[in-house]
Amino acid sequence: GENVEQHPSTLSVQEGDSAVIKCTYSDSASNYFPWYKQELGKRPQLIIDIRSNVGEKKDQRIAVTLNKTAKHFSLHITETQPEDSAVYFCAASKRSGGSNYKLTFGKGTLLTVNP
Amino acid sequence: NAGVTQTPKFQVLKTGQSMTLQCAQDMNHEYMSWYRQDPGMGLRLIHYSVGAGITDQGEVPNGYNVSRSTTEDFPLRLLSAAPSQTSVYFCASSSVEGTTGELFFGEGSRLTVL
Repeated sequence: GENVEQHPSTLSVQEGDSAVIKCTYSDSASNYFPWYKQELGKRPQLIIDIRSNVGEKKDQRIAVTLNKTAKHFSLHITETQPEDSAVYFCAASKRSGGSNYKLTFGKGTLLTVNP
Repeated sequence: NAGVTQTPKFQVLKTGQSMTLQCAQDMNHEYMSWYRQDPGMGLRLIHYSVGAGITDQGEVPNGYNVSRSTTEDFPLRLLSAAPSQTSVYFCASSSVEGTTGELFFGEGSRLTVL
C-alpha cells in the first residue's frame, strides 16, 4: 500500500519567517495530495490540496508544490503568524471519480511560530 | 448542518469490555471512515465504507468492527478492549463525486482502556 513520509516532525520559526514541510510518497499511481491542519485539541481541517496534473497551487500565504517524478510534495507557508501554530499532516490517495478515496497520512509536523 | 457528529467525546473502559463509538453525518456523503490518532503516528485508517452495505479494512483493522446500514451512520465497535486501543478516534466523511474531495472530520472521541 501507499506509504507517506513527512519531515520534519517539529519545526519552530519566528513570526514573519517562512515554513516548509516536505512529504514523499511511494505509490506512483497516487494522484491527490491534500494538507490538513490540526490545532491543539481540535479536528483536522483541509487547508489546501493539489492533483497530480498541477505542479503548484497557491492560496494566499499557503502554497503546495508537487514533483511527480521524485514523488514528493511540499507545503510552503509565508509570513507566518502565531495562529499558524498547529500540527500539519500531508496525505496521498489514488482518487478517481467513483473509486479509491482512502487517504494515507504522514505522521505530522508540529509547527510553532514564535512571536 | 451539524456535519460529522461523534459520540461519546470521552470514554474510559476496562480491558475486555466492549463499546461502540457512534458517528453520524448529515451531508449525504457516500464515503465514511474511522481513523485513530496516536502521538507520533499520525492518522491511521481503521475501516472505511463507500456506501450503505459496503465496508472494507484500512491499515489497522484488528480489534474493530464496523457496519453501514444507512448512508448517515457508521458505528465503530470494539469487541474486547485492550490497552493498545487507547487513542483518539476520528470519524470522517467525504463526497465521492469528482477527483478531489475534502475529508470532513468529527470532533474526535478520546478512549482510555485501563
